[in-house]
Amino acid sequence: AQSVSQHNHHVILSEAASLELGCNYSYGGTVNLFWYVQYPGQHLQLLLKYFSGDPLVKGIKGFEAEFIKSKFSFNLRKPSVQWSDTAEYFCAVNAPYGNNRLAFGKGNQVVVIP
Amino acid sequence: DAGVTQSPTHLIKTRGQQVTLRCSPKSGHDTVSWYQQALGQGPQFIFQYYEEEERQRGNFPDRFSGHQFPNYSSELNVNALLLGDSALYLCASTSTATTNEKLFFGSGTQLSVL
Repeated sequence: AQSVSQHNHHVILSEAASLELGCNYSYGGTVNLFWYVQYPGQHLQLLLKYFSGDPLVKGIKGFEAEFIKSKFSFNLRKPSVQWSDTAEYFCAVNAPYGNNRLAFGKGNQVVVIP
Repeated sequence: DAGVTQSPTHLIKTRGQQVTLRCSPKSGHDTVSWYQQALGQGPQFIFQYYEEEERQRGNFPDRFSGHQFPNYSSELNVNALLLGDSALYLCASTSTATTNEKLFFGSGTQLSVL
């Protein structure tokens, strides 16, 4: 079965610090990769996605992620976080089933201190 | 344009009872998926409905069943509730007419089983 690993479940940062969240998946075939964010009291929303092409993907709110196939990784980064980035971040993979059946990691709870 | 709406937002049940959760997909969407998010975990895929039929199913027992109506709305039913069924239940919708496989999530129904 597909599995998605996210480490460092709780991350606490100061504003302007850089953020990197790791994501590793176990499926060896073609994958579609996603990062979703859940702000406090809000629904899950898509930050960015990778289907093919340039492995460096840019998303909303200054986030980017890099797909490294050899490492089965899709790490999320933001050079300078803001207090409003406080949220839970989930990595997800759409493989091997496709058809929008996503396997999610356990998430990273990120708290940005003003 | 309404997004994905779920009802009720919160629900308290006792062991052995049955529960029905409801979801209206985003306008223009025809496919509905249900996810269970236990505390501290990422969402887990339960099943997906398209054209009023269950198209895919995750690793959940038969106590979990669903339905999709001609207007694309959907219900999730859980019978013989267990304490372990306590979780946030998320509905997500998408359109088969698009190829970007972007899921739109509702805010969820928080189910507590006592």
